[in-house]
Amino acid sequence: QQQVKQSPQSLIVQKGGISIINCAYENTAFDYFPWYQQFPGKGPALLIAIRPDVSEKKEGRFTISFNKSAKQFSLHIMDSQPGDSATYFCAAPLNAGNNRKLIWGLGTSLAVNP
Amino acid sequence: DTAVSQTPKYLVTQMGNDKSIKCEQNLGHDTMYWYKQDSKKFLKIMFSYNNKELIINETVPNRFSPKSPDKAHLNLHINSLELGDSAVYFCASSHGGTDTQYFGPGTRLTVL
Repeated sequence: QQQVKQSPQSLIVQKGGISIINCAYENTAFDYFPWYQQFPGKGPALLIAIRPDVSEKKEGRFTISFNKSAKQFSLHIMDSQPGDSATYFCAAPLNAGNNRKLIWGLGTSLAVNP
Repeated sequence: DTAVSQTPKYLVTQMGNDKSIKCEQNLGHDTMYWYKQDSKKFLKIMFSYNNKELIINETVPNRFSPKSPDKAHLNLHINSLELGDSAVYFCASSHGGTDTQYFGPGTRLTVL
């Protein structure tokens, strides 16, 4: 059962364009929504995250938009650059007893053409 | 200053062999994880330890055995390697109940 559905699977954007990646979730108990960025040959790294008490969070060219009623959150990359080419993962934490684990989307491979 | 390190970076071995991957973190975190990333980039959590205690054990074949000698180290031993074990294995760590995880560089395991 996929609790976090990420789309698209791959995305090609021209330099300077806007990249948009979407995630839909089912579990309304999720209380934290991070996006991780993974470059080839490297481990994922936290890019930006949002809690459901706000609808938007911006850090430089990266923005998370959160729609609680639609149970969706999206990553927007403004003025996309070739250096942004990477795989992006959305995630959400699931409480399992006294533990928490991240439930991951399947990833979006972004290519920004120069 | 390496935060989360793994050794080896690459591991090529024959089916049926036994191998180990080591992970160390110098962030002072008390929770560590092992993930498997397949060729389609899907990230699957395998195990999680908190202060040397196993707290998450996903549906993983018992050929995989994690060990945490102290809270800064988490090792993964794999017995009787199979072709399907070929993947990139990531170690990660986090502080307590926080949700930000710090990943190592990965170990690419190839089983021939």
